[in-house]
Amino acid sequence: QKEVEQDPGPLSVPEGAIVSLNCTYSNSAFQYFMWYRQYSRKGPELLMYTYSSGNKEDGRFTAQVDKSSKYISLFIRDSQPSDSATYLCALSGGYQKVTFGTGTKLQVIP
Amino acid sequence: GAVVSQHPSRVICKSGTSVKIECRSLDFQATTMFWYRQFPKQSLMLMATSNEGSKATYEQGVEKDKFLINHASLTLSTLTVTSAHPEDSSFYICSASGQGAYEQYFGPGTRLTVT
Repeated sequence: QKEVEQDPGPLSVPEGAIVSLNCTYSNSAFQYFMWYRQYSRKGPELLMYTYSSGNKEDGRFTAQVDKSSKYISLFIRDSQPSDSATYLCALSGGYQKVTFGTGTKLQVIP
Repeated sequence: GAVVSQHPSRVICKSGTSVKIECRSLDFQATTMFWYRQFPKQSLMLMATSNEGSKATYEQGVEKDKFLINHASLTLSTLTVTSAHPEDSSFYICSASGQGAYEQYFGPGTRLTVT
């Protein structure tokens, strides 16, 4: 079993839709949770990070962590074509090393 | 947010030659830098972790004599691919993390093509 599972997609949604991206993990040592966005042929861009269960909101993005279920989510409201990218979850146990999900490819159709 | 640059963005070299890639943190001190490799449509594969002033720690299966990493200052790390071969062609990405931080900030990546 992989430490982090993420559906690779692709996920296609119409513009304006609410997008839900998810990861599950098995290692309870993970305490820090991040979401990155990667456009094709570019380096990943840090979108959000959190270390506590619950919700964290930043503009159209909401990160949700449920440590009891070992489940994390990223919600994108009012999705735009410019949100089309690959989204990677990333988890850390606090010793600098980060474990990445395989990424979910999102396509927002105008 | 923190900015990490990488140079060059793209390089083509002949088989047997060496290539150096630079990674710089522009607005923060990067106590730790990471080097990743990414194949098309695949996720990031960690190659090595380097702390400023120390030898890099390589992941299993990564040849340290082939991928030389130097982290001489808090803002600069270099990756040298020695005696490059076509199978080394890939997208190489660095990231940097500050003191006590767990989040990493990534550079834009370097596309290496070995002919």
